[in-house]
Amino acid sequence: DAGITQSPRHKVTETGTPVTLRCHQTENHRYMYWYRQDPGHGLRLIHYSYGVKDTDKGEVSDGYSVSRSKTEDFLLTLESATSSQTSVYFCAISDTSGSSYNEQFFGPGTRLTVL
Amino acid sequence: EDKVVQSPLSLVVHEGDTVTLNCSYEVTNFRSLLWYKQEKKAPTFLFMLTSSGIEKKSGRLSSILDKKELFSILNITATQTGDSAVYLCAVDTAGANSKLTFGKGITLSVRP
Repeated sequence: DAGITQSPRHKVTETGTPVTLRCHQTENHRYMYWYRQDPGHGLRLIHYSYGVKDTDKGEVSDGYSVSRSKTEDFLLTLESATSSQTSVYFCAISDTSGSSYNEQFFGPGTRLTVL
Repeated sequence: EDKVVQSPLSLVVHEGDTVTLNCSYEVTNFRSLLWYKQEKKAPTFLFMLTSSGIEKKSGRLSSILDKKELFSILNITATQTGDSAVYLCAVDTAGANSKLTFGKGITLSVRP
């Protein structure tokens, strides 16, 4: 299995509080992604990173920010959590350098509940 | 806007049956199509397809891509209860930064 960990694995928080989720990889892959997964919606891309300090928005980025200060860590922050952000969050990594295709490997997920 | 549609959204079969899962897509700059299996945890990679007509096979699972008609199928023969999962299809599009667009997934339940 690809070396990807996510922390915390479960979190319950209250509306309006800030929350930071961490994704850590040991594969030295260039690309890192944050997705959310909700019933009836599949996996939706929140933000992604294509290198240290290089990030871009996905299709559901409102209310989220990210940071990547080193290759191995990609942080997802909810500045002021809302109940609509209750979801399962997955981090993924890939290495599309050279002729590699975008085969993404997923972390174990974080279940976030916003009360 | 890139779009990936999977069908059916769910199905129930009995052990030993053969199932066909469908994935159609409308994207710009197609690069590859990927299938994942998800069993109440992280998605795990099954296949990547880049060329039409070339079947990828792994045990009882096989998949093929039709780039002219813009679809792929995932076949599972002699299904087992362990095949019960959500099957995700995703399309990778070429560009400055590669991203996957996922379908909503197909929930397969295999009854003993």
